[in-house]
Amino acid sequence: SYVLTQPPSVSVAPGQTARITCGGNNIGSKSVHWYQQKPGQAPVLVVYDDSDRPSGIPERFSGSNSGNTATLTISRVEAGDEADYYCQVWDSSSDSGVFGGGTKLTVL
Amino acid sequence: QVQLVQSGAEVKKPGSSVKVSCKASGGTFSSYAISWVRQAPGQGLEWMGGIIPIFGTANYAQKFQGRVTITADESTSTAYMELSSLRSEDTAVYYCARMVVVGGRPNWFDPWGQGTLVTVSS
Repeated sequence: SYVLTQPPSVSVAPGQTARITCGGNNIGSKSVHWYQQKPGQAPVLVVYDDSDRPSGIPERFSGSNSGNTATLTISRVEAGDEADYYCQVWDSSSDSGVFGGGTKLTVL
Repeated sequence: QVQLVQSGAEVKKPGSSVKVSCKASGGTFSSYAISWVRQAPGQGLEWMGGIIPIFGTANYAQKFQGRVTITADESTSTAYMELSSLRSEDTAVYYCARMVVVGGRPNWFDPWGQGTLVTVSS
């Protein structure tokens, strides 16, 4: 089955840029989606189709996808961005949803 | 705006079954897909399966094949996930989510229900 690999943690100072990666075999050929999950809450979609933002999500959140790595970029990081972030794709070969292991973003 | 509201927390004995509901409001229930995702304590998200109510057929992650059943009742705009032969490792928060289908292909999940905690303990 398809595997997505994320770093367990990323730390960044307020106002700086956070980059969270999601690795997968030829992931650039797939559509990648990203979710933010704060403690005790359900996940929230922040980026879909590699780089599109749902309404209500700040422009500070952006995404890219090429080769074997997709990246979620959060610009001008705020304390409120501290959360777990998950990447996700649909694996057509197994006809199933696949999530990365998640990355905990810490705002220093 | 689609909203998903799930049933309340459950405590179950090992070997028993649990059935969690997910009631949708807004939009046309039969026109979109519902997936179920679980999250064990301190762990990541795990896709279990999904259903497109208008077609009535579900597909499941291989890990849960034979143990999970996902159904949908269009008359009440409610989807259900039943997990059988429960064991302690099934203790988790179970989420339903609308699965957005584009060009006939499932894509992302949005929005999500609030989650239902299922505790399996003797």
